[in-house]
Amino acid sequence: QKEVEQNSGPLSVPEGAIASLNCTYSDRGSQSFFWYRQYSGKSPELIMFIYSNGDKEDGRFTAQLNKASQYVSLLIRDSQPSDSATYLCAVNDYKLSFGAGTTVTVRA
Amino acid sequence: EAQVTQNPRYLITVTGKKLTVTCSQNMNHEYMSWYRQDPGLGLRQIYYSMNVEVTDKGDVPEGYKVSRKEKRNFPLILESPSPNQTSLYFCASSSLRDRDNEQFFGPGTRLTVL
Repeated sequence: QKEVEQNSGPLSVPEGAIASLNCTYSDRGSQSFFWYRQYSGKSPELIMFIYSNGDKEDGRFTAQLNKASQYVSLLIRDSQPSDSATYLCAVNDYKLSFGAGTTVTVRA
Repeated sequence: EAQVTQNPRYLITVTGKKLTVTCSQNMNHEYMSWYRQDPGLGLRQIYYSMNVEVTDKGDVPEGYKVSRKEKRNFPLILESPSPNQTSLYFCASSSLRDRDNEQFFGPGTRLTVL
């Protein structure tokens, strides 16, 4: 079983809508969780990290963590065309393990 | 400016011709890592290093070597490249003292092996 699984996408949402991205992980002992954004041809950049169960909000982004279900999600509110990118979920044990990514397209 | 640099950015080579991709960071980070990125597979870790002279295999180390003689540099060596090593490679670094362990990525090296 892959360590970090993301919904495969691609995900297409209209401008102004909420984009919802999901990620599950296999190691119940994982402590730190990250969401990276990667524009085509560019390097990944960190947009959020979360350690504790519950929600963490940063601007239009909300990360949600449920350790019991081994599930972490990212919500993008009021989606903008500039949010069109691939979103990578990552889980930090002794090393950082990435999911395959979900490509989001925001339609104007 | 805090950054991770990689060179070259683009490289086309032939099977069997040894090559080195350099990686350097100016943030005094202990942790450095190499990833390859292939369509549909996400980022897969090749090797990582927790500090000078300390390196370990990641998920896909076959066909690669690394060294960490200085804290700032972490070169990736392909002794005998093969076409299945055609990929986009990223170097990353982070501080082990920060709980968020944000990894800073280099700009990437696109390698084609013919």
